[in-house]
Amino acid sequence: QSALTQPASVSGSPGQSITISCTGTSSDVGGYNYVSWYQQHPGKAPKLMIYEVSNRPSGVPDRFSGSKSGNTASLTISGLQAEDEADYYCSSYTSSSTGVVFGGGTKLTVL
Amino acid sequence: QVQLVESGGGLVKPGGSLRLSCAASGFTFSDYYMSWIRQAPGKGLEWVSYISSSGSTIYYADSVKGRFTISRDNAKNSLYLQMNSLRAEDTAVYYCARESVAGTLGYWGQGTLVTVSS
Repeated sequence: QSALTQPASVSGSPGQSITISCTGTSSDVGGYNYVSWYQQHPGKAPKLMIYEVSNRPSGVPDRFSGSKSGNTASLTISGLQAEDEADYYCSSYTSSSTGVVFGGGTKLTVL
Repeated sequence: QVQLVESGGGLVKPGGSLRLSCAASGFTFSDYYMSWIRQAPGKGLEWVSYISSSGSTIYYADSVKGRFTISRDNAKNSLYLQMNSLRAEDTAVYYCARESVAGTLGYWGQGTLVTVSS
């Protein structure tokens, strides 16, 4: 069982918006503004899409945005495109001895 | 540009050992914390271990504590993961990643597959 809870799957049509949630506790998501989101296409390494809750690395389209409320962080993708179809993982810094925890991942299907 | 290249994966019997390496280039390796993350076939990401820039601070996931050892050689721009007493459940693609701040993994290698099977 993963430390952070994500929906197993979400879907949307091209041009639509979708939101993926990531629920943790006050020891991780709720306690720190160090939530990241990663995109992973099949057979590829994960790619950082959002860091520190809502910041985008250079080169990531502004269609990707992040937010947080309490113990739940969210990734929103607007104007869905076919290439957005991938697995998405959230992670958070945690005060436990492990340092970093991941969510179980969400498979995004673009219909 | 930043490059991380893992090597050392392969097929090993249960109870065996393997040493993974990660060669870094394109940045000042000694300035950054580094992590190992793994992904079992068809499963999600699991953080395995991290090491501070100097090597003085090290953390492990409970699932590998006592069996895996992370280390680095800043002179050789290399990160290592010594894996002992391997189990079937250690079968995974192992990625090395560069950490920027508090668990943010900005750059990842392509991964190396470790298969533990008799």
